[in-house]
Amino acid sequence: NAGVTQTPKFQVLKTGQSMTLQCAQDMNHEYMSWYRQDPGMGLRLIHYSVGAGITDQGEVPNGYNVSRSTTEDFPLRLLSAAPSQTSVYFCASKQGGGQGLWEQFFGPGTRLTVL
Amino acid sequence: GNSVTQMEGPVTLSEEAFLTINCTYTATGYPSLFWYVQYPGEGLQLLLKATKADDKGSNKGFEATYRKETTSFHLEKGSVQVSDSAVYFCALSEGRYGGSQGNLIFGKGTKLSVKP
Repeated sequence: NAGVTQTPKFQVLKTGQSMTLQCAQDMNHEYMSWYRQDPGMGLRLIHYSVGAGITDQGEVPNGYNVSRSTTEDFPLRLLSAAPSQTSVYFCASKQGGGQGLWEQFFGPGTRLTVL
Repeated sequence: GNSVTQMEGPVTLSEEAFLTINCTYTATGYPSLFWYVQYPGEGLQLLLKATKADDKGSNKGFEATYRKETTSFHLEKGSVQVSDSAVYFCALSEGRYGGSQGNLIFGKGTKLSVKP
């Protein structure tokens, strides 16, 4: 198993450009999520999904869109990048919902810089 | 709302020293508690967890006990190694009765550096 994979590893954008961060998992996990990590802020939840066709907002969803058309993939879209979106983005997945029942597995991250 | 507070870093220790990283939480319901570790340039890995009061999670010599009376989940290790240098995150998973999907709420992280 490759686990959770993310592409690209690094990306530089100009303000106003759009891009999609890719996330895939091969563990047949129902739950997938996106976090951003900023210095001194820990990780904050952007969006999550509990299955194909089902998504919901987390703590910091503004400026980001998601969709879940398959169990394996959960892309994160930035429609019009802003410097405030400069961050490291992590995708994660776990087997199901509910608190504490399943370990959440993290991808290696995408470091995004918006100029 | 739910939140996690952990001690500010960075923490610098000599090899074989005792480690404590404090973590307290605020939550409704009955959260599960976690410690995640992030090695340089990598994603997060689960280090240990506890799902109910008085549970002790342990892994790789690290331990933490879920204390409901003090709302704490402090991480300890008796003898740290250089290879333990990393950022440690305390987190909670929102409670069952809140109807959540187990989304994680993280503390801000504590950077540990262990010198030989």
